[in-house]
Amino acid sequence: DTTVKQNPRYKLARVGKPVNLICSQTMNHDTMYWYQKKPNQAPKLLLFYYDKILNREADTFEKFQSSRPNNSFCSLYIGSAGLEYSAMYLCASSRGYYAEQFFGPGTRLTVL
Amino acid sequence: AQKVTQTQTSISVVEKTTVTMDCVYETRDSSYFLFWYKQTASGEIVFLIRQDSYKKENATVGHYSLNFQKPKSSIGLIITATQIEDSAVYFCAMREVSSGSWQLIFGSGTQLTVMP
Repeated sequence: DTTVKQNPRYKLARVGKPVNLICSQTMNHDTMYWYQKKPNQAPKLLLFYYDKILNREADTFEKFQSSRPNNSFCSLYIGSAGLEYSAMYLCASSRGYYAEQFFGPGTRLTVL
Repeated sequence: AQKVTQTQTSISVVEKTTVTMDCVYETRDSSYFLFWYKQTASGEIVFLIRQDSYKKENATVGHYSLNFQKPKSSIGLIITATQIEDSAVYFCAMREVSSGSWQLIFGSGTQLTVMP
């Protein structure tokens, strides 16, 4: 089973309000990623966990938070949503840092 | 700078034929990994096949195979016996080992349409 699940599939949020997205995988992968994808653009890596260690991209360091309470689950937290956060958020996981990544179906976030 | 280029914006083929999609990459790293993904009509991104830079043999998985030409920095995807359900956008991607970047560098994608 190579399934990565994401909840919710669609999220509507108000400007200035927090947003929490959930991802889970049952493949016992040690690495989990969060990407932001906007139309006609390639996915952009926001952050990833290798085991319990969180790595965040420099330009998204203060905008996104994450937690990984156990190997299977990972969350993405936006403290105060802005209009520019409207996008598809993709979770992925892999066994090992350089291995192929398996993507979830995504959460489409719309900020109004 | 790291870069992945897919020059074919779209390709149309008749089902049961073979199609090749091109991808070239730029890297200064001596060790890297190359991947092909497809994005289905529903938007899901599905991993297809992988090539490690240190391997000389072309990877093959099911009806997907790769044409890895390292001196040309090229990694083509070959789909044999295409089916209607292979219609999707295909992305080439690269992951470097030593560059210090964590990004999976994607190409712009090639839209494949398989016709009956």
